[in-house]
Amino acid sequence: GAVVSQHPSRVICKSGTSVKIECRSLDFQATTMFWYRQFPKQSLMLMATSNEGSKATYEQGVEKDKFLINHASLTLSTLTVTSAHPEDSSFYICSATSGQGVEQYFGPGTRLTVT
Amino acid sequence: KNEVEQSPQNLTAQEGEFITINCSYSVGISALHWLQQHPGGGIVSLFMLSSGKKKHGRLIATINIQEKHSSLHITASHPRDSAVYICAVITGYGNKLVFGAGTILRVKS
Repeated sequence: GAVVSQHPSRVICKSGTSVKIECRSLDFQATTMFWYRQFPKQSLMLMATSNEGSKATYEQGVEKDKFLINHASLTLSTLTVTSAHPEDSSFYICSATSGQGVEQYFGPGTRLTVT
Repeated sequence: KNEVEQSPQNLTAQEGEFITINCSYSVGISALHWLQQHPGGGIVSLFMLSSGKKKHGRLIATINIQEKHSSLHITASHPRDSAVYICAVITGYGNKLVFGAGTILRVKS
């Protein structure tokens, strides 16, 4: 099956710093990537949809200036959490798909802890 | 009311038992995913289906579009099946998923 990787798997950073998370499709071209966050014992919440070469579409309530998303190539999307705060501590997961109506493949997730 | 409802929320079974997890949705969909999330957090897509039935190993997924209902069955359950199982539907354009709350499955040996 298709493989999606995320890097790093875990990151601890201090308040006020920025953190970049990478999502890569390893064996297919991902025209669309999705970024989710998940709080403990809760389901995934979609943050934004990222299409290659265009601006990301953010869900209501998600600050686009705080969560910067770049999808510069068909195999890489990045999420940058800017000026991180402890409340940004969460599990961030990306998924990727190669087209409309096609299965989504999920990355292993990144656990972010902001101290 | 959530657009995607799963039942049960928690399920404990003995090894070898047949397990059923249900998913009902209230919106029009183009397809439905069954996902598995292990304690480490990684998510695996088990099935994507838009009609009928799919089988992979000990896992079977069915969907009834008219009744807006899907089931995930696990035959001969094993402790390694312990995980959270999530139903997610694709609505409208753009492949966006709407998630159920998940079913926490624990299989005891």
